[in-house]
Amino acid sequence: GAGVSQSPSNKVTEKGKDVELRCDPISGHTALYWYRQSLGQGLEFLIYFQGNSAPDKSGLPSDRFSAERTGGSVSTLTIQRTQQEDSAVYLCASSLERGYEQYFGPGTRLTVT
Amino acid sequence: AQRVTQPEKLLSVFKGAPVELKCNYSYSGSPELFWYVQYSRQHLQLLLRHISRESIKGFTADLNKGETSFHLKKPFAQEEDSAMYYCAPMNYGGSQGNLIFGKGTKLSVKP
Repeated sequence: GAGVSQSPSNKVTEKGKDVELRCDPISGHTALYWYRQSLGQGLEFLIYFQGNSAPDKSGLPSDRFSAERTGGSVSTLTIQRTQQEDSAVYLCASSLERGYEQYFGPGTRLTVT
Repeated sequence: AQRVTQPEKLLSVFKGAPVELKCNYSYSGSPELFWYVQYSRQHLQLLLRHISRESIKGFTADLNKGETSFHLKKPFAQEEDSAMYYCAPMNYGGSQGNLIFGKGTKLSVKP
C-alpha cells in the first residue's frame, strides 16, 4: 500500500511568516510522530500522536510550534512566526501502534530566509 | 535520560571488507533498539530491529546488555551499502513512543 506522504516537499518562507506542514500516515496506523532533521542537531523528536491525542508536547522546541491530528489520520505541524533556526527537514513517521516499527515519509525541507 | 552514542561520524571501507558501525546506549529497563538507514535521496527506512533477530541485506546487530551496545555488522561490505546509518532506541518513558536517534554514521564503501 501507499507509504507515508508529506506535503509540501519543499517550502521557502520569509522570517516571521507562519507555515503549515502536512503528513498523511499509512492507513490504519494509529501512532504518528513528527521529527526534525537539521545539520547541527541531527534527528530530534518533536511530538507523538496516539489517535488524535498528543499525550506529551514537551518535545516541541517552542510555543511557536503546534500540531494537530484529525480523524486519526492526517496531521499538520504549524510553525508560527518562523525563525531562521527553524530551517530543517521535518519528518513524519507512522506505526501500527506505539512500540511498532515506524515508517518515515520523505520529509518537508523548510528554508526560512 | 536515555542517550545513544554513535562514535564514528564517518566510516570508510573498501568493498569486500568487514564493517562494524558502533552504537552505545544508556537506558533503564529493557530497551527496544533499531537501526535505520538513509540512502542518498531516499527516505529514512528501517534496516533491522533487535527483537526480530533478522539479517537484512547481510547486516546483523546483537544487543549486548552488559556493554549496552548494539553494533551493526556486515562481513563483506558492498558499494550499495554506502549510506547514513542511525541507531535508535525506542523511548518508552512516560507516554511517549518515539525513537531517540544517534547522530548517525556515514558509511562509505569504496570500490
